[in-house]
Amino acid sequence: RKEVEQDPGPFNVPEGATVAFNCTYSNSASQSFFWYRQDCRKEPKLLMSVYSSGNEDGRFTAQLNRASQYISLLIRDSKLSDSATYLCVVNDQDSNYQLIWGAGTKLIIKP
Amino acid sequence: ETGVTQTPRHLVMGMTNKKSLKCEQHLGHNAMYWYKQSAKKPLELMFVYSLEERVENNSVPSRFSPECPNSSHLFLHLHTLQPEDSALYLCASSQISGYNEQFFGPGTRLTVL
Repeated sequence: RKEVEQDPGPFNVPEGATVAFNCTYSNSASQSFFWYRQDCRKEPKLLMSVYSSGNEDGRFTAQLNRASQYISLLIRDSKLSDSATYLCVVNDQDSNYQLIWGAGTKLIIKP
Repeated sequence: ETGVTQTPRHLVMGMTNKKSLKCEQHLGHNAMYWYKQSAKKPLELMFVYSLEERVENNSVPSRFSPECPNSSHLFLHLHTLQPEDSALYLCASSQISGYNEQFFGPGTRLTVL
């Protein structure tokens, strides 16, 4: 069974701290990886695509570890507005279309 | 308008009603998707259309019927739903090449009485 596993949290983090999430995936042949964020009762929004070399966008850094089959997301200098659920997503290698979604990690930034 | 739009945003219906959800994408993408999101569960893919042809149908009950008249519009026709079908229904679109990043509409929150 193809799976993406995430710690559901919640992670309660003080404003300004650094927080990191990991996500593991079961299909070693997966090629595309993403982090989405979802605010309460809203749609998921693409935060970052995760590339083999790792990538950074401002305060956010994503890393891919193929050997251990996990993806990480690091948030530095966390803001109150970072409070959301972070969804880890991996492509289904047996389909051109399907993505496999994790259930999400809830992050709460406290003042 | 830009991005992906969905109407209605909220819908309450009885089990004997027939209703339709509408999705429109303004991104020039060639694939569109219907997802269901229930509380505290991962997104569940329901249907995929690529170039207006249905390419995935993940064992969805026949009381859900999709329609894709062109590459920009997607409908989900609903009839004789059950209370357990109450959920957030999300439409997404993507360009099928490379990474296949999907972009979502705001969703329709459906309540079946």
